[in-house]
Amino acid sequence: KQEVTQIPAALSVPEGENLVLNCSFTDSAIYNLQWFRQDPGKGLTSLLLIQSSQREQTSGRLNASLDKSSGRSTLYIAASQPGDSATYLCAVSGNQGGKLIFGQGTELSVKP
Amino acid sequence: EPEVTQTPSHQVTQMGQEVILRCVPISNHLYFYWYRQILGQKVEFLVSFYNNEISEKSEIFDDQFSVERPDGSNFTLKIRSTKLEDSAMYFCASRSARASANTGELFFGEGSRLTVL
Repeated sequence: KQEVTQIPAALSVPEGENLVLNCSFTDSAIYNLQWFRQDPGKGLTSLLLIQSSQREQTSGRLNASLDKSSGRSTLYIAASQPGDSATYLCAVSGNQGGKLIFGQGTELSVKP
Repeated sequence: EPEVTQTPSHQVTQMGQEVILRCVPISNHLYFYWYRQILGQKVEFLVSFYNNEISEKSEIFDDQFSVERPDGSNFTLKIRSTKLEDSAMYFCASRSARASANTGELFFGEGSRLTVL
């Protein structure tokens, strides 16, 4: 059974720092991995999707990497801003139906 | 930009009552999903729906739950007799049929918060 774990559970950094969020999954037979942002009491905003054949994806200040064989993904945020404060969720799709298995998230706080 | 919309944003109900949560997926999407998030817990898969039938469901999705696409645009989740433990945020998501699961990105709505008293 696929399990997704995110470390750390919470992170507080000063504005301007580069930071890395970690995601690990127990079954390397995934189809894709998606990173989401969730603001308090709100929905999930898709940030990046990495296909199983890809190693990384970039969008603006965000870069996500995938190492399928070791069951790991990282989300790198460059030059963090207070507006980046949110919970970041990692989710993997393990079959063609697109069902996602989520991690518990990393709560990020960027202090001005 | 196209988005998934959900109504109501918040519903309070008494235990044992029926609840219907509504979703309007992105218009050219054909795969639909319901997820839920109990406060402080992980987002959990409930059910996926394609071609007017359930394609996969979790153990959570028991006989008390049902889904329907009544009119070609709305996608609904019905809980027949709500329990206290059904209190959660319920998210609808959709995915384009043109993308395979290997590239297909899920788009989520803002959620419907259900409180069962």
